[in-house]
Amino acid sequence: GDSVTQMEGPVTLSEEAFLTINCTYTATGYPSLFWYVQYPGEGLQLLLKATKADDKGSNKGFEATYRKETTSFHLEKGSVQVSDSAVYFCARTRNTGFQKLVFGTGTRLLVSP
Amino acid sequence: EAGVTQFPSHSVIEKGQTVTLRCDPISGHDNLYWYRRVMGKEIKFLLHFVKESKQDESGMPNNRFLAERTGGTYSTLKVQPAELEDSGVYFCASGVGTNTEAFFGQGTRLTVV
Repeated sequence: GDSVTQMEGPVTLSEEAFLTINCTYTATGYPSLFWYVQYPGEGLQLLLKATKADDKGSNKGFEATYRKETTSFHLEKGSVQVSDSAVYFCARTRNTGFQKLVFGTGTRLLVSP
Repeated sequence: EAGVTQFPSHSVIEKGQTVTLRCDPISGHDNLYWYRRVMGKEIKFLLHFVKESKQDESGMPNNRFLAERTGGTYSTLKVQPAELEDSGVYFCASGVGTNTEAFFGQGTRLTVV
């Protein structure tokens, strides 16, 4: 069935370090791909998305490219800040549309000053 | 405009008791979803309402869970009787059409002891 696999955390980085959080998905159908973020005490927020192969989603300095050949959607940021500390979830659509999603297990990012 | 609101934010109940979670979607959103994250695992889809009708309840774990959306506005998710394995964070999301982004609430953390 549909699934998403992302690297386990926590990922601990110093401020201004480079971030990569790996995400791979099952290659069934033509899913849209997403990264959601949950800051402490808040709900899930859509961080970025990509709807087809080779699309690059970007927001707040984060980027992820839809790689069909490797079924991956890795999240990257060139220079993390303490305020980026959160849990990051990779997700794909189950069927057509954006709303019914299959999530990964989440990766906690801790950024220290 | 208010976002998706969930009540309560936290609930601690004893095994065998009943708990009712509530979700107030964004006004005008016909689509409402329930998801849950158990024990730090992936966030899993539970069910989908379109207005007051259950469109897809394939993710509901068993018949101890009952979701309603009377009048097509707010929704409730009742767990009766609660078991230890029901502990987790329950998320609600709402959206307009199914091809647009769904917006998530902050979640309800349920702890069954």
